[in-house]
Amino acid sequence: DAMVIQNPRYQVTQFGKPVTLSCSQTLNHNVMYWYQQKSSQAPKLLFHYYDKDFNNEADTPDNFQSRRPNTSFCFLDIRSPGLGDAAMYLCATSITAVQPQHFGDGTRLSIL
Amino acid sequence: AQSVTQLGSHVSVSEGALVLLRCNYSSSVPPYLFWYVQYPNQGLQLLLKYTTGATLVKGINGFEAEFKKSETSFHLTKPSAHMSDAAEYFCAVSLNAGNNRKLIWGLGTSLAVNP
Repeated sequence: DAMVIQNPRYQVTQFGKPVTLSCSQTLNHNVMYWYQQKSSQAPKLLFHYYDKDFNNEADTPDNFQSRRPNTSFCFLDIRSPGLGDAAMYLCATSITAVQPQHFGDGTRLSIL
Repeated sequence: AQSVTQLGSHVSVSEGALVLLRCNYSSSVPPYLFWYVQYPNQGLQLLLKYTTGATLVKGINGFEAEFKKSETSFHLTKPSAHMSDAAEYFCAVSLNAGNNRKLIWGLGTSLAVNP
């Protein structure tokens, strides 16, 4: 089945130690999104790619970076994680914004 | 500016009772509207969407929603709640305009189903 796959499902890192989360898709969708979701909150968009066109949200901390080396893969890099970055990180894809987004199951990031 | 308001952050119903989750939006252009469901420790799953055409939209798991332009609403209903419906529900709006590629999300409604 075509899907969005996030690895790992659970990630533990140390305060200040860089971490990378990965997302892959078999849907061949143009748009890929990274969201941060904290407990009992709505997803918060960090950035998205339309093909190779990168779009950063104005309030996304500089600590967060992203790479999309090809259509299928997208990475979220957190350069120096702080305690406040502990959250669920969701990857999603869509053909366009007016089409539904397809979500992976997320990576839950814990910071020690 | 576009926005989405979900009335009631927590809703509790009995098994077999009607489920009604409320969503109101504001948009200066015709909106595309979505309801997503999220089970614990999972991503979001599309329940249904409204783009154009018929205003009553049927989705998965017996849910449906009606787009009412005059009321700027897109409430989600299900005639008979099941225990498995307990989850977080999010309403979202997307603009049918230009190069916009983002969804505006409501804050979510947590649905509890009591036996």
